[in-house]
Amino acid sequence: DTAVSQTPKYLVTQMGNDKSIKCEQNLGHDTMYWYKQDSKKFLKIMFSYNNKELIINETVPNRFSPKSPDKAHLNLHINSLELGDSAVYFCASSQTGTGNRGYTFGSGTRLTVV
Amino acid sequence: TQLLEQSPQFLSIQEGENLTVYCNSSSVFSSLQWYRQEPGEGPVLLVTVVTGGEVKKLKRLTFQFGDARKDSSLHITAAQPGDTGLYLCAGDGGATNKLIFGTGTLLAVQP
Repeated sequence: DTAVSQTPKYLVTQMGNDKSIKCEQNLGHDTMYWYKQDSKKFLKIMFSYNNKELIINETVPNRFSPKSPDKAHLNLHINSLELGDSAVYFCASSQTGTGNRGYTFGSGTRLTVV
Repeated sequence: TQLLEQSPQFLSIQEGENLTVYCNSSSVFSSLQWYRQEPGEGPVLLVTVVTGGEVKKLKRLTFQFGDARKDSSLHITAAQPGDTGLYLCAGDGGATNKLIFGTGTLLAVQP
């Protein structure tokens, strides 16, 4: 039973299209995140939601819009896709207030914009 | 801006060798975590260190948090091919519950 699952695993699309990535966690965590991993494997936070409330919004183009319908789900919608959006996008979750606050990551969505 | 620099960036060694990966910052972190990421998967938490000077062991892996809580190291003894992967340190600034990831160390252990 996957703890953090994101779909799709692979996404190939043309420039200008709109696409969504879905994420669900069954760990009962109260905080969820979206991270972007570039071609050099650097992981950079994009957004964070705590109990459906946006708490972190890094410098991300407003073409990216996260949505959290409940604390177990955090989806990412991207409008007008550009070549530079090609990357691996990871969803993660954690529980605030615990000692180590370790993150549990999904297996990633590899987005390729052509 | 909090930055975590890891060194080396790449490391290719033979099975049985020892190695150390370093994670350095000019910022203080309330805790520091180490993750390992394998191809096609997300990072997996290995350990969290919280107290300055803390040392934790996980089988052949030894993690240390610097006294000033600005740096950390990961030492692997007698590396095995199964240790191959991308090792990431991540610092917890505390206030925003946001993890800042290091630049990564790609380790390849040849049989």
